[in-house]
Amino acid sequence: AQSVSQHNHHVILSEAASLELGCNYSYGGTVNLFWYVQYPGQHLQLLLKYFSGDPLVKGIKGFEAEFIKSKFSFNLRKPSVQWSDTAEYFCAVNAAGNTGKLIFGQGTTLQVKP
Amino acid sequence: NAGVTQTPKFQVLKTGQSMTLQCAQDMNHNSMYWYRQDPGMGLRLIYYSASEGTTDKGEVPNGYNVSRLNKREFSLRLESAAPSQTSVYFCASRTGTEMPNSPLHFGNGTRLTVT
Repeated sequence: AQSVSQHNHHVILSEAASLELGCNYSYGGTVNLFWYVQYPGQHLQLLLKYFSGDPLVKGIKGFEAEFIKSKFSFNLRKPSVQWSDTAEYFCAVNAAGNTGKLIFGQGTTLQVKP
Repeated sequence: NAGVTQTPKFQVLKTGQSMTLQCAQDMNHNSMYWYRQDPGMGLRLIYYSASEGTTDKGEVPNGYNVSRLNKREFSLRLESAAPSQTSVYFCASRTGTEMPNSPLHFGNGTRLTVT
């Protein structure tokens, strides 16, 4: 069965600091990978996705993520965070062999101090 | 274009009561999902419907039933509510299995409290 693990549950950063949020998945086959963001009081929105090709994918608002197949990882990065990046971030995986089932990680709460 | 619409937005139930959460999408999506969101647990998949006419269990299906009424609507039923089902419930949809990289579109959620 596929699963997703996010290592950091709560991250606190100052503005302009660099961000890296970890995401590991367990599934031996081909996967599609997603990062979603949930701003306070809102529903989830897509940040970026990977399904094939260049393992370094760029998303909205300066976020990027790198797929490392050998490590089963899809870490999210941003060189310089802003106060407006305060939100909860979720990694999700969709096994290519069962494209209906999309599983989320536990989420990471990011707090950016001005 | 309303996207994904969930009703109700808030609900309080007593233990043992039943209720149905409604979800409808107007994007002609094939796949629909029900998740629950709990602090520290992320989003957990309850049930999903990869296409009209099919439903499958997710990670936490116990205590729930679903109906894919038609292509637009996917309801979630609690037959006998328990305090452990206090949560925020999200319905989502996406294009379908023919486009595995298609993103989910979420509704605004239903906040359910069971006392």
